Amino acid sequence: RKEVEQDPGPFNVPEGATVAFNCTYSNSASQSFFWYRQDCRKEPKLLMSVYSSGNEDGRFTAQLNRASQYISLLIRDSKLSDSATYLCVVNKGGGFKTIFGAGTRLFVKA
Amino acid sequence: NAGVTQTPKFQVLKTGQSMTLQCAQDMNHNSMYWYRQDPGMGLRLIYYSASEGTTDKGEVPNGYNVSRLNKREFSLRLESAAPSQTSVYFCASSEQYDMNTEAFFGQGTRLTVV
Repeated sequence: RKEVEQDPGPFNVPEGATVAFNCTYSNSASQSFFWYRQDCRKEPKLLMSVYSSGNEDGRFTAQLNRASQYISLLIRDSKLSDSATYLCVVNKGGGFKTIFGAGTRLFVKA
Repeated sequence: NAGVTQTPKFQVLKTGQSMTLQCAQDMNHNSMYWYRQDPGMGLRLIYYSASEGTTDKGEVPNGYNVSRLNKREFSLRLESAAPSQTSVYFCASSEQYDMNTEAFFGQGTRLTVV
């Protein structure tokens, strides 16, 4: 089992749709969680951190479920510009152990 | 503000050739990293430098060497390139050692080994 697993997709959704991605992690000691966005043939960029209490930034909401060891990303009112690959990142803390998921591809169609 | 700058952006090597990928950051970050990204594999850590003067192996270090030249620069060297090293390489930096803060990535180097 991979340490961080994501559904690779692709997710094809129309503009205005709500879409959600999950990411599961295997190390229960993991402490920090992030979502990065990567546009086609570009570098990853931080989208948002994921806090225990959840985190919302405009149309984006990130949640953490420690009991089931997954994090989620919800995108509301999808825009064409949301088309990208979303990378889940998990860090166990206490020493360098940051793992990137393979990413979930999202295509938003007009 | 340039952030993280990598050179070159593209490179084609023949098997057995050597090359150095250059990376520089202007954010005064302590930690720097080299990743490779392959389809379906996600980003895998090759080497990292927690601070100036230190380097450590990551998940996939075989066939690579690194040099933390100073606080700004962190280079990756392929001594004898192999087709298995065909990949996209990203340099990154972060303020904190354990990447608990935002990591900033360079634009990537697309390397093909034939």
